[in-house]
Amino acid sequence: DGGITQSPKYLFRKEGQNVTLSCEQNLNHDAMYWYRQDPGQGLRLIYYSQIVNDFQKGDIAEGYSVSREKKESFPLTVTSAQKNPTAFYLCASSILTANTGELFFGEGSRLTVL
Amino acid sequence: KNEVEQSPQNLTAQEGEFITINCSYSVGISALHWLQQHPGGGIVSLFMLSSGKKKHGRLIATINIQEKHSSLHITASHPRDSAVYICAVNNNDMRFGAGTRLTVKP
Repeated sequence: DGGITQSPKYLFRKEGQNVTLSCEQNLNHDAMYWYRQDPGQGLRLIYYSQIVNDFQKGDIAEGYSVSREKKESFPLTVTSAQKNPTAFYLCASSILTANTGELFFGEGSRLTVL
Repeated sequence: KNEVEQSPQNLTAQEGEFITINCSYSVGISALHWLQQHPGGGIVSLFMLSSGKKKHGRLIATINIQEKHSSLHITASHPRDSAVYICAVNNNDMRFGAGTRLTVKP
């Protein structure tokens, strides 16, 4: 079945380490997104990509990096520069030509910094 | 002030009760979405609205474009409806409410 797969589901990191969260989709969607979710707040956009080898910063890109080498894959690296990385991270994709913005989400990855 | 405000933040109901969750927004939109986040964290889309009303099973979503307000109703609530319900609006990019945590007790 088509969908979005995120891994790992849970991740623990020591301060000063970079970690990479995986996001793979087989929906043939052009656009992919990374969101961060914190308690009591709405999802906030970290990065998005509308086409292979191109991506744009979202509202809270500092301390994060992404790549889009393949249409199916959009990994997110949480770098040591991110001051408060403990959060729930959600990857999503959408059909670019649909202007209604319907998003398809993965199951999320919970990152905890020890 | 957030562009998308939801109320209430938390809601506890007894099984069988009629539930209403509200969403107000302050920007022009092309569509409004109601999403359900289950306890495991994954999010699924319930409704996408640009006008009027939609119904799917026991769930009903309405939107009033002039008042910039939408409601999600659940009839005959059940414990399996327990989840976080998120309102999101599309205005060139997506803006999300903080969510309403619903707990339905048997």
